Amino acid sequence: SAVISQKPSRDICQRGTSLTIQCQVDSQVTMMFWYRQQPGQSLTLIATANQGSEATYESGFVIDKFPISRPNLTFSTLTVSNMSPEDSSIYLCSAGTGRLTEAFFGQGTRLTVV
Amino acid sequence: DAKTTQPNSMESNEEEPVHLPCNHSTISGTDYIHWYRQLPSQGPEYVIHGLTSNVNNRMASLAIAEDRKSSTLILHRATLRDAAVYYCILRDVTDKLIFGTGTRLQVFP
Repeated sequence: SAVISQKPSRDICQRGTSLTIQCQVDSQVTMMFWYRQQPGQSLTLIATANQGSEATYESGFVIDKFPISRPNLTFSTLTVSNMSPEDSSIYLCSAGTGRLTEAFFGQGTRLTVV
Repeated sequence: DAKTTQPNSMESNEEEPVHLPCNHSTISGTDYIHWYRQLPSQGPEYVIHGLTSNVNNRMASLAIAEDRKSSTLILHRATLRDAAVYYCILRDVTDKLIFGTGTRLQVFP
């Protein structure tokens, strides 16, 4: 199994600023993903974090707004840029080694933009 | 992305079995059927997954129809801790987990 640590667990930010969320996995994984979950809603996939190359974004999400890094097999960051109140949400990191095995999730980062 | 259909909500009494259905009529031969659940204020957690055969683990059982167009997650004895949103997800060759709306399970004492 894998344990995922996300930092920060929560933050309150001013509109127009940026926040970087860190995701650390305690073992090497092949796949890392970032999700957003708005209050009372299901999870929406933002992007796949690719090790050593640019992230692959889902429809409706762009690199300028959500730049992602993945420098190695156990670490990734998601930045929420130029934040607005609409970005208030829970952001979750997920990791695993493919569809033949389970995926693991962090506890999420609760972001409030004021 | 292949889609799944689940009831919005279900109810159960404590210590009774719960059968959570999922329809996935457009499943392809290489899609794995994954189930996750999300307890309040937590990230999703893995429950079980399978391809063609029924699967059992310490948390639950997964019954997969012969044509693979539907599956059922079985909780053998529901506890209050099992109250959560349960997501049935088809995981394809991209390995992405695309979440639907899930089934909110309420468990009554």
